[in-house]
Amino acid sequence: AQTVTQSQPEMSVQEAETVTLSCTYDTSENNYYLFWYKQPPSRQMILVIRQEAYKQQNATENRFSVNFQKAAKSFSLKISDSQLGDTAMYFCAFMRGNAGGTSYGKLTFGQGTILTVHP
Amino acid sequence: KAGVTQTPRYLIKTRGQQVTLSCSPISGHRSVSWYQQTPGQGLQFLFEYFSETQRNKGNFPGRFSGRQFSNSRSEMNVSTLELGDSALYLCASSHRIAYSMNTEAFFGQGTRLTVV
Repeated sequence: AQTVTQSQPEMSVQEAETVTLSCTYDTSENNYYLFWYKQPPSRQMILVIRQEAYKQQNATENRFSVNFQKAAKSFSLKISDSQLGDTAMYFCAFMRGNAGGTSYGKLTFGQGTILTVHP
Repeated sequence: KAGVTQTPRYLIKTRGQQVTLSCSPISGHRSVSWYQQTPGQGLQFLFEYFSETQRNKGNFPGRFSGRQFSNSRSEMNVSTLELGDSALYLCASSHRIAYSMNTEAFFGQGTRLTVV
């Protein structure tokens, strides 16, 4: 079974600064996907960024980037130039790849990190 | 393109009752997954449906069940409600083709269920 751990229950950052959210995971799979989702107070879960395990290059999406360390099973999210609208709960999530098993569609989530951006 | 639609947004039920939640996926998406979110347990996977068949199930009692219709819309049913079933129930859809790699999941806004 896979587990995802987010060790920072809460983080805060000043507007325009950079913040890094941590995530570690445990799996015996070699083919998998990792995601960061954002859940603002509206409760709408929004995909921030995804990373395929077979890709060595770290994913980036505008101000969001990841540091994917496969051997260390670490997947951190860096938010640059933080904005007030980034205030939300952030979830790290794991999904198995195409292994012919029964885990399609199953996301395993971490406990979440509440990020507050201060003006 | 319309997003994932969950209805109703809010529900209040009494212990012992049953409830049905609905999820309409993004057009063209055939995979629908359900998650329960609580402050104590976080986000937990309930089940996934694809082509009207349950493909995967999480560790929830048999009181939790679901189904998917030919138009990919899905319903989740909880029978004999308990206070601990109070939660935000999230539905996610993805564009999955047979047994190929799943794409990212797009979530609805959830149904907030309160059991009193």
